[in-house]
Amino acid sequence: GAVVSQHPSRVICKSGTSVKIECRSLDFQATTMFWYRQFPKQSLMLMATSNEGSKATYEQGVEKDKFLINHASLTLSTLTVTSAHPEDSSFYICSATPSMRDSPLHFGNGTRLTVT
Amino acid sequence: SQQGEEDPQALSIQEGENATMNCSYKTSINNLQWYRQNSGRGLVHLILIRSNEREKHSGRLRVTLDTSKKSSSLLITASRAADTASYFCATGGGSNYKLTFGKGTLLTVNP
Repeated sequence: GAVVSQHPSRVICKSGTSVKIECRSLDFQATTMFWYRQFPKQSLMLMATSNEGSKATYEQGVEKDKFLINHASLTLSTLTVTSAHPEDSSFYICSATPSMRDSPLHFGNGTRLTVT
Repeated sequence: SQQGEEDPQALSIQEGENATMNCSYKTSINNLQWYRQNSGRGLVHLILIRSNEREKHSGRLRVTLDTSKKSSSLLITASRAADTASYFCATGGGSNYKLTFGKGTLLTVNP
C-alpha cells in the first residue's frame, strides 16, 4: 500500500530557532501534499496545500512566513517552522495523494513539536 | 470550518460489542471517507463511500450514507481492544483533493 514517511517523529527546540519537518511519499508520486496541525483531543486543522513545483496554498489564518512549505519534488514536501515559539508546540501531520479521483489520503505518522 | 461532525464524541464499550459512530455534514459531497487515528500517530484510511452509494462493507466495518439527511454511520462489529482509537469522517476530495475532517469519536474498547 501507499506509504508516507514523516521525519522527525519528535523534536524539541528552543524558542527562536527553526525546525524542518519532512514528508516523503515512498512508493507513489504525490503532486499534492497537505499539512495539518492537531491540538490534543481535537481534529485536524488544515494548514496548507503543497503542490509540486508551485507555491503552497495556505488556509486562512495560517502565517505563510512562519510556516514555510517547499514541495521540490514529486515525493518530498517540507514544512519549516521559523522562529518557533512555545505556542507553536503541537502535533503536525502531513498527508499525500496520488491525485486520482476518489483516492484516499495517505498520512505520515506525525511530528510532535515541543518549543521550550 | 469543520464540515463533518461526529457523534458521539466518546464511546466506551466491551470487547465483542458493536460500536456505531455517526457523522453529519453540511454541504453536498462527492464522497465521504472514514479514517482511524491511534493516539499520537497519523491517520489510516478505512473506507470511502461515494455519494451514489448507500452502504459499503469492509471486513468488520459497515458504512452507510444518507445524502438526504447528510449523514453517515460507521459500524464496527465484534469490536476488539485493538480497535481503540479515534475515528474521523472526512468530506471533500474534489478536484483539489482537499478533505475536511470532523471532530472525531474516541472509541475505547475494554478487554
